[in-house]
Amino acid sequence: EVQLVESGGGLVRPGGSLRLSCEVSGFTFSIAWMSWVRQAPGKGLEWVGRVRSKADGESTEYSAPVKGRFTVSRDDSKNTVYLQMNSLKSEDTAVYFCTTAAGLGGDGFDLWGQGTMVTVSS
Amino acid sequence: DIVMTQTPLSSPVTLGQPASISCRSSQSLVHSNRNTYLSWLHQRPGQPPRLLIYKISDRFSGVPDRFSGSGAGTDFTLKISRVEAEDVGIYYCMQHTQFPFTFGQGTKLEI
Repeated sequence: EVQLVESGGGLVRPGGSLRLSCEVSGFTFSIAWMSWVRQAPGKGLEWVGRVRSKADGESTEYSAPVKGRFTVSRDDSKNTVYLQMNSLKSEDTAVYFCTTAAGLGGDGFDLWGQGTMVTVSS
Repeated sequence: DIVMTQTPLSSPVTLGQPASISCRSSQSLVHSNRNTYLSWLHQRPGQPPRLLIYKISDRFSGVPDRFSGSGAGTDFTLKISRVEAEDVGIYYCMQHTQFPFTFGQGTKLEI
């Protein structure tokens, strides 16, 4: 069974840091390009960033609101993708989902985790 | 950034009747490899999004055939031939042709 399980969410003060994890099982993680998408309370979906596979250089891309503050990385030995979030702001409060288009060879984001909640508040 | 604009934002529907959602992109979504990476996702409260349609019109595995996608370039449509109770929720179009990937605002389908 394919599973993506996020963890690491919680309450953090503005300016603080948090690292989210997404552990994957049931498919070949090492070739998957992994993305993070977030959803603020009562709002729509917002793509955050992506890391390519090691074979594709492990390069990363980010949305403008998080670039320079967030880092997506991966550990293929642990089948896990990470989202390191620094200099957190109240507007980063959201449910964070990891997702991938691995099941469809990149054609559509068919696999999603359940999400982990991040609250940035003093 | 490519802006995705959905209409309507809210759609009251009747069970058994058709429904349609439009999505317009601010730029063409045709990739240099000639694919168009336009997807439709459905989200119920408290749940992650679920892929319905990818590359404009390909139905994802397990998605009922009452769902169909169409369009080209910058104009796309999701149609539900006969709405069922389980179809309530929010529908998003999404482009992953160009970075940053972007979503429409969402269309709330309510019975």
